[in-house]
Amino acid sequence: EAQVTQNPRYLITVTGKKLTVTCSQNMNHEYMSWYRQDPGLGLRQIYYSMNVEVTDKGDVPEGYKVSRKEKRNFPLILESPSPNQTSLYFCASTPGRGRDTQYFGPGTRLTVL
Amino acid sequence: AQSVTQPDIHITVSEGASLELRCNYSYGATPYLFWYVQSPGQGLQLLLKYFSGDTLVQGIKGFEAEFKRSQSSFNLRKPSVHWSDAAEYFCAVGLPGYSTLTFGKGTMLLVSP
Repeated sequence: EAQVTQNPRYLITVTGKKLTVTCSQNMNHEYMSWYRQDPGLGLRQIYYSMNVEVTDKGDVPEGYKVSRKEKRNFPLILESPSPNQTSLYFCASTPGRGRDTQYFGPGTRLTVL
Repeated sequence: AQSVTQPDIHITVSEGASLELRCNYSYGATPYLFWYVQSPGQGLQLLLKYFSGDTLVQGIKGFEAEFKRSQSSFNLRKPSVHWSDAAEYFCAVGLPGYSTLTFGKGTMLLVSP
């Protein structure tokens, strides 16, 4: 089954404790993205990747890092989480640019205390 | 930069009544246009998309949307709403050659008996 998976689905952590949210897709898509969703703000893009070892900032990259060492995986790293990073995070992948459908993972709800 | 406006934060519709959710975009040319739905606790599912051609597009679950270039709008419609349509709906735009989507802030649809 074609899918985007994220782990963990739920995470509660404390300020400053490094964490990684994993994202994996099995569709051989070149493009992957991370979004955060906050009430009243919709989804905002954090980072995206156009291929292995090629990443770029989205609209809200501060406080986040990503890596793309393999085509299927695109982890999101919070090296020193803060409470304002409490949010719902979605990973997405798409085969191409622009017109192709983005496939979203189920989301990771992160709470930073 | 492109932007997407969904003027209605919440909409309540009676079951069986018709529905129209508004979406306006700001961009110099015609972007790619999408509607996604997010059911409670779920990820995002694509309802329909528009690239070019016929300005009335059909999607899944009985939804349709009409692109109006003169109004920079891409409104979502459904002739008869079902209780299972209660969800949050997001309009999004993508640009040719880019894998990034810009989302509106969403419209929460409530369906009353």
